[in-house]
Amino acid sequence: QVQLRESGPGLVKPSETLSLTCTVSGGSVTSPTDYWSWIRQSPEKGLEWIGNIFYRGYPDYNPSLKSRVTISLDTSKNQFSLKLKSVTAADTAVYYCARDPTFWYFDIWGRGSLVTVSS
Amino acid sequence: QSVLTQPPSVSGAPGQRVIISCTGNSSNVGADFDVQWYQQLPGTAPKLLIYETDSRPSGVPDRFSGSKSGTSASLAISGLQAEDEAVYYCQSYDGSFSGSRLFGTGTKVTVL
Repeated sequence: QVQLRESGPGLVKPSETLSLTCTVSGGSVTSPTDYWSWIRQSPEKGLEWIGNIFYRGYPDYNPSLKSRVTISLDTSKNQFSLKLKSVTAADTAVYYCARDPTFWYFDIWGRGSLVTVSS
Repeated sequence: QSVLTQPPSVSGAPGQRVIISCTGNSSNVGADFDVQWYQQLPGTAPKLLIYETDSRPSGVPDRFSGSKSGTSASLAISGLQAEDEAVYYCQSYDGSFSGSRLFGTGTKVTVL
């Protein structure tokens, strides 16, 4: 079955760029039906959808984060990635990647990756 | 940004039925967008419990059921069991922000 796994640095300095990668196994990022999302969770903000990408279309972002976020696909590695620039302590959270099989909900989640923003 | 409001906590004895509410507005739940429910056990990722308001993925017990009316949705857990102790989140789509998915504030279910 499809599995997702996040990877990337656990510590990022303020004002720098947070970068995470999600590796998809048991499925393909070029699936004609699946969207691929990033979601984060913090005690302060709860669960927050960051954005998603579909292999045929443009990425879609949460308006509150749009100016700082980039989500991209690497079809050769069957991965999708998140970049969040100019981070602050408020971006400290557990970051999840997830599959969105119909555009509306998330049926498969990665284990999550804790990212702390601190100098 | 809009949020979906849930009660912080609900509790019940084993075997009882509990209901968790999720209140939105006319831009999301009230705009006829479907509602999903997720269960999050400590230290794990959320797990899809209910999708498209009242459908269960394979493997989810029929003790869990979802419904919606107006700007609110509900998750009912019948025959409450100890393993149901978790945090539950609702999720929908907000038509006022292009492409924005919303999550609820979360409800901790405690089995007494």
